[in-house]
Amino acid sequence: KAGVTQTPRYLIKTRGQQVTLSCSPISGHRSVSWYQQTPGQGLQFLFEYFSETQRNKGNFPGRFSGRQFSNSRSEMNVSTLELGDSALYLCASSLGESGRGNTIYFGEGSWLTVV
Amino acid sequence: AQSVTQLGSHVSVSEGALVLLRCNYSSSVPPYLFWYVQYPNQGLQLLLKYTTGATLVKGINGFEAEFKKSETSFHLTKPSAHMSDAAEYFCAVSGGGGKLIFGQGTELSVKP
Repeated sequence: KAGVTQTPRYLIKTRGQQVTLSCSPISGHRSVSWYQQTPGQGLQFLFEYFSETQRNKGNFPGRFSGRQFSNSRSEMNVSTLELGDSALYLCASSLGESGRGNTIYFGEGSWLTVV
Repeated sequence: AQSVTQLGSHVSVSEGALVLLRCNYSSSVPPYLFWYVQYPNQGLQLLLKYTTGATLVKGINGFEAEFKKSETSFHLTKPSAHMSDAAEYFCAVSGGGGKLIFGQGTELSVKP
């Protein structure tokens, strides 16, 4: 079956703009989480959604937000982009809530470059 | 609080040699432990995970890891390295709070 699908794969934005990234989880998976990957900070947790409810949030400013739809698809939004937001944004899905040993599957990521 | 330390940001082995990537964790609750691999310009692929039960976990591509609670370690091994194993490897822990805490990663190079 299809894996975690993220769109777009690559995008370039200008400082101050906003961006929306989309994620379709594996069919049947109800948990979606987002991670930011940068060379300096590594992989950092942004937030997790389960059944349309945000269950956990990482230590990121309020410019980073997300949501999950009834079909489990998720979007994350970054407003007022800064150069430091340039990163690979990874979406992951699991059958049940993360943190309970459920296998977490990652998508290919969305590469965001802020200029 | 949970944390993961991967010893060695770069490891280089010869093809056919043993691969050993080290991971130590800290967790105040029984941990769930994972190893992921990332090839260039790709996402993360799960190699193996430990939840409960048998402490020696076998994964894909000939990798395995052993959970040692007394040493708070979860080192990844493969008996014989292949050129295609060259990638970055991440150890991660989860347990409370529903998120994965990743180590900084270890880049594995395989020399012919």
